[in-house]
Amino acid sequence: GESVGLHLPTLSVQEGDNSIINCAYSNSASDYFIWYKQESGKGPQFIIDIRSNMDKRQGQRVTVLLNKTVKHLSLQIAATQPGDSAVYFCAEIWGNTPLVFGKGTRLSVIA
Amino acid sequence: ETGVTQTPRHLVMGMTNKKSLKCEQHLGHNAMYWYKQSAKKPLELMFVYNFKEQTENNSVPSRFSPECPNSSHLFLHLHTLQPEDSALYLCASSQGVSGRDTEAFFGQGTRLTVV
Repeated sequence: GESVGLHLPTLSVQEGDNSIINCAYSNSASDYFIWYKQESGKGPQFIIDIRSNMDKRQGQRVTVLLNKTVKHLSLQIAATQPGDSAVYFCAEIWGNTPLVFGKGTRLSVIA
Repeated sequence: ETGVTQTPRHLVMGMTNKKSLKCEQHLGHNAMYWYKQSAKKPLELMFVYNFKEQTENNSVPSRFSPECPNSSHLFLHLHTLQPEDSALYLCASSQGVSGRDTEAFFGQGTRLTVV
């Protein structure tokens, strides 16, 4: 089975609201976690990453939170915009293993 | 633009056809990957190449045959495919295959339809 999964397959938010996308992982040995955004007709693109020795990392309008105790990762998007509509994947890295991706969450922004 | 270019963007082929997907990366990376993305499924890793050597074949049927002539180019040769092979095929590259170097940069994908 997969070790990375997402709690919700779809998420609808009002434009301007904050979005929270969740991810659960099972491998406590993972070193890095990455969030990818995939827009329709495009390949996944890197958004933000976090090392396993960190709890929080902020980017431009995005924040990733890591809770190693419960093996949970979340992506927070502030002031969600229509351009944020996409599928979001979390991925984890450990050792020499290629990225392991979750199923993805589709974020729909309601104007 | 991610620095990873895939051609063609769209491909329709019959089950008896032979076709090839091409991927080129301009990032100076050493590792390249093929992923398959089907509707409602996670990204499925197919093959990994590191310094032109195949390091992983994720139980992919032999009707998919990869080729990596150098670190910048990756091909996926297709032969006698089935309709269930219809999917988005994504190429990716990374600096390496260890730890943080594994961060993947993806191309736009080839949308393959097998009829």
